Amino acid sequence: GAVVSQHPSRVICKSGTSVKIECRSLDFQATTMFWYRQFPKQSLMLMATSNEGSKATYEQGVEKDKFLINHASLTLSTLTVTSAHPEDSSFYICSADRLDLTDTQYFGPGTRLTVL
Amino acid sequence: GENVEQHPSTLSVQEGDSAVIKCTYSDSASNYFPWYKQELGKGPQLIIDIRSNVGEKKDQRIAVTLNKTAKHFSLHITETQPEDSAVYFCAASGDSGGGADGLTFGKGTHLIIQP
Repeated sequence: GAVVSQHPSRVICKSGTSVKIECRSLDFQATTMFWYRQFPKQSLMLMATSNEGSKATYEQGVEKDKFLINHASLTLSTLTVTSAHPEDSSFYICSADRLDLTDTQYFGPGTRLTVL
Repeated sequence: GENVEQHPSTLSVQEGDSAVIKCTYSDSASNYFPWYKQELGKGPQLIIDIRSNVGEKKDQRIAVTLNKTAKHFSLHITETQPEDSAVYFCAASGDSGGGADGLTFGKGTHLIIQP
């Protein structure tokens, strides 16, 4: 168990458009999901914490109006990159915290976003 | 906030030898320390974790040790195999009292297993 999926795996879009990324926990429930960003050959940086049924908490320096997060159920969180620009190109990875194992985060396979 | 330092950035070992990766953390309130393995183009995979009430944990060829006083923890891989080649990340999180906390990651170690 503890499988997390992300969709899409890759997306290429034009500058100025919006892109939605889905994160699902397939075989467990997660009250908390996290969104991370990873630039090439770098580490993962936490962007925001998403709790089911409440507003997301954003890390310092992350624009909440640009990265919209919705956590509608215990198995689904979405990240929408609004008005994307080339500097938003990155690897976006979500993780889900198992309801029965606090602090144990399982990561999705990531979404490669390329903004032209 | 938390700061996690990881060393070395690159580690090359002969197949069958052991590999050790070390991390230090700054926030004494941190109480959860997972290790992840990441292959190129994929998401991180949890390989082992340890909580602050335990000093050592082992799972087959992988072990993690934690020294709370010194605020450092290490990953040990014995009898390394070619499929162990990947980037390994250590991470730390605390207990904000409100539920799960996000992870602060080290910069990663590129482990290369030489055949």
